[in-house]
Amino acid sequence: QPVLTQSSSASASLGSSVKLTCTLSSGHSGYIIAWHQQQPGKAPRYLMNLEGSGNYNKGSGVPDRFSGSSSGADRYLTISNLQSEDEADYYCETWDRNTRLFGGGTKLTVL
Amino acid sequence: EVQLVESGGGSVQPGGSLRLSCAASGFTVSSTYMSWVRQAPGKGLEWVSVIYSGGSTYYADSVKGRFTISRDNSKNTVYLQMNSLRTEDTAVYYCASDISWGQGTLVTVSS
Repeated sequence: QPVLTQSSSASASLGSSVKLTCTLSSGHSGYIIAWHQQQPGKAPRYLMNLEGSGNYNKGSGVPDRFSGSSSGADRYLTISNLQSEDEADYYCETWDRNTRLFGGGTKLTVL
Repeated sequence: EVQLVESGGGSVQPGGSLRLSCAASGFTVSSTYMSWVRQAPGKGLEWVSVIYSGGSTYYADSVKGRFTISRDNSKNTVYLQMNSLRTEDTAVYYCASDISWGQGTLVTVSS
């Protein structure tokens, strides 16, 4: 089964951009992933699906500031013009053999 | 508008049982796959179970043989029957489709 690896934390300044990374384990670089956002004390929210080609499809209402890209086994979530409400945990997710697999999450702090 | 509303959480002693419900609106649960995902206090997301549109069900190893996922198409509701509960099952349980999440319901297993 694939393993999804995320940095435990990241930080960036208000109004700047940040790029979060989710890395698929060896042999699984072709997998489609999803990104989810979880603001403090709230339920997760689906952001987008992201293919290995870099094509992505965002969920309803997700701001244009959120975008996705890919390179090899790496899947990226870029947030531009950071807002205070972007401070949250971000999880990547994929499917394998009827199992839903999550990365450990990245805690994003907006300075 | 797609909405998922969980209920049925609460406090129970080890060895006890609970049944969680997830009432859906804005779409038909039998037309897609529905999952339960849990989050222990201060931890990341952990997939628990899935039911596909065709009725096939799958479980995480940690709950296999103890939890049962089902759905009632007439009520557009998905259930999670949890038996032989353990302290390590303490978590917020989320119902989720491929792109939507419920608000979660807290399950506490403690003596």
